[in-house]
Amino acid sequence: QVQLVQSGAEVKKPGSSVTVSCRASGGTFRSSAVAWVRQAPGQGLEWMGRIIPVFGTPQYAQKFQDRVTITADASTTTVYMTLTSLSFEDTAVYFCARDSDAFDVWGQGTLVTVSS
Amino acid sequence: QSVVTQPPSVSGAPGQRVTISCTGSNSNIGAGHRVHWYQQLPGTAPKLLIYDNINRPSGVPDRFSGSKSGTSASLAITGLQAEDEADYYCLTYDSSLSGSVFGGGTKLTVL
Repeated sequence: QVQLVQSGAEVKKPGSSVTVSCRASGGTFRSSAVAWVRQAPGQGLEWMGRIIPVFGTPQYAQKFQDRVTITADASTTTVYMTLTSLSFEDTAVYFCARDSDAFDVWGQGTLVTVSS
Repeated sequence: QSVVTQPPSVSGAPGQRVTISCTGSNSNIGAGHRVHWYQQLPGTAPKLLIYDNINRPSGVPDRFSGSKSGTSASLAITGLQAEDEADYYCLTYDSSLSGSVFGGGTKLTVL
């Protein structure tokens, strides 16, 4: 059973960028997409975008269209999410999930803290 | 504000039945897009409870069931247990937004 392993917690300054990785362990993404979801403290889940690693074409939520980039390295079964122009409101836990319409396998989450 | 709405909170006593609604529109649930349900315990990643409107992944108790009608979907939990106390989210796809959308989430309290 594939597991998704995410990179560690990050602390960033306002205006900077952050990159979070998501690696498939014990399997591959195959033809499934990988989605990114974030959750601000005390708030709900928010879909940010997705990519199908074997095709490499991303799709982004309108809210993040100008600031997020999702890429995939199919040879290493790793997907990356980069968020730019960070503000305090971007402080959140960022999750990756295997997206076969349902998000059935989730990473452990990566806390990104934006602090001056 | 999500385009898919859930009640902020529901509650029930142990052993009772509760339902959580997920109300959308003709661009998401009403368009035939599938609805999935998640349980999230504090500090953990969401766990898939129901997929494709009505199906349970292996290991999910049959106390959890899903249904869909028109522009809405529902999650029912019977025989409520203390460990069911968690946040619950629905997920679907929205054609107008060209992306997935989560409901705002519902906090279930077991009295």
